[in-house]
Amino acid sequence: LAKTTQPISMDSYEGQEVNITCSHNNIATNDYITWYQQFPSQGPRFIIQGYKTKVTNEVASLFIPADRKSSTLSLPRVSLSDTAVYYCLVGEAGFQKLVFGTGTRLLVSP
Amino acid sequence: GAVVSQHPSRVICKSGTSVKIECRSLDFQATTMFWYRQFPKQSLMLMATSNEGSKATYEQGVEKDKFLINHASLTLSTLTVTSAHPEDSSFYICSAVILRDSDNEQFFGPGTRLTVL
Repeated sequence: LAKTTQPISMDSYEGQEVNITCSHNNIATNDYITWYQQFPSQGPRFIIQGYKTKVTNEVASLFIPADRKSSTLSLPRVSLSDTAVYYCLVGEAGFQKLVFGTGTRLLVSP
Repeated sequence: GAVVSQHPSRVICKSGTSVKIECRSLDFQATTMFWYRQFPKQSLMLMATSNEGSKATYEQGVEKDKFLINHASLTLSTLTVTSAHPEDSSFYICSAVILRDSDNEQFFGPGTRLTVL
């Protein structure tokens, strides 16, 4: 399973766009990139998954460059409730065994 | 999305006692479930893979005799912390996998906060 590197923490304000970048230099051909969100004392929640280029859903966008050695989770117009830890994981689409990295602790202020 | 529940949500026990935590997939069958442990301000650490009808697979450094896992049905896996000690105090999270033709998806339970006095 490819190792990921993310910033430990980020600060933002309500209404701003937040971009969290994850490095995964050793990503394999069959690997997908998945992001999870975790609030304190709760289990992680799936946000988005992608393989290449751009993926968008109702809560976020995921940008993956051509070399796929990094990815960026984009949260548009964050609110206070987006304060959480965001984890980037890399593995095969059918992968079951998840290895969580350090995650990025996002703090959204008024 | 699919729902995974855990019971209890929090438990306090005395040192030396055993505690059982249940993980249920409420609206789907899960042949594979995972157990994680998370200490404050730290990331999730995978403890073991629970397979229905077979022995669990433990990650390196996790004592199988201390953390007993039973996956007796397709909707229930249990983690028993035997002879608990204060250092076992942690947040325990389970997850269950939905198998699909195109991909699999993993859903997490809400977690169980264990405090050992």
